[in-house]
Amino acid sequence: EVQLVESGGGLVQPGGSLRLSCVASGFSFSSYSMNWVRQAPGKGLEWVSYISSSSSTIYYADSVQGRFTISRDNAKNSLYLQMNSLRDEDTAVYYCAKSWMRYFDYWGQGTLVTVSS
Amino acid sequence: EIVLTQSPATLSLSPGERATLSCRASQGVSSYLAWYRQKPGQAPRLLIYDASNRATGIPARISGSGSGTDFTLTISSLEPEDFAVYYCQQRSNWPSTFGQGTKLEIK
Repeated sequence: EVQLVESGGGLVQPGGSLRLSCVASGFSFSSYSMNWVRQAPGKGLEWVSYISSSSSTIYYADSVQGRFTISRDNAKNSLYLQMNSLRDEDTAVYYCAKSWMRYFDYWGQGTLVTVSS
Repeated sequence: EIVLTQSPATLSLSPGERATLSCRASQGVSSYLAWYRQKPGQAPRLLIYDASNRATGIPARISGSGSGTDFTLTISSLEPEDFAVYYCQQRSNWPSTFGQGTKLEIK
């Protein structure tokens, strides 16, 4: 059974930093690209970042480019999102999502990031 | 960036009725479109990929159609678990984008 478990969310002040983690199990993590997708409270879905299986290809949404960094450790079956210079508008549930044909076939339960003073 | 516009924003139907949801792209995405269902408090679930292919475990009463800029998700006979929010997503161009969602509610 595929499982994706996010952690690291919480309350942070504007301008602060946070690091999200996602631990994967039930599939060959090193063979698949991964993504972060977020959802602001009561709003729709927004793709945030993509990383290929070998970390050779990385993409970011314009809204987070230069502030967020995606990475992975295939030996630990883990995906990360380093978030710096956080803004109010970054408040959201952040989902780790497995790529399949560049769709998202498995999602974690999400971790809530709240940016507020 | 490709903008996906879903309609209607809210659809009120009864169990057993047929639901038709629309997704229109601002430019052609070929057949590179997916549909997801999200229940309250849960993560989205992939229903349809490449416009018309059902994902693993998705029942035959859920179907997708379309290509280019106009796509449709059809649920032939609504079950209680179908009342949720539905999103379309394109993977034709980076960045991948989602529609704003259609809420399917019980009438």
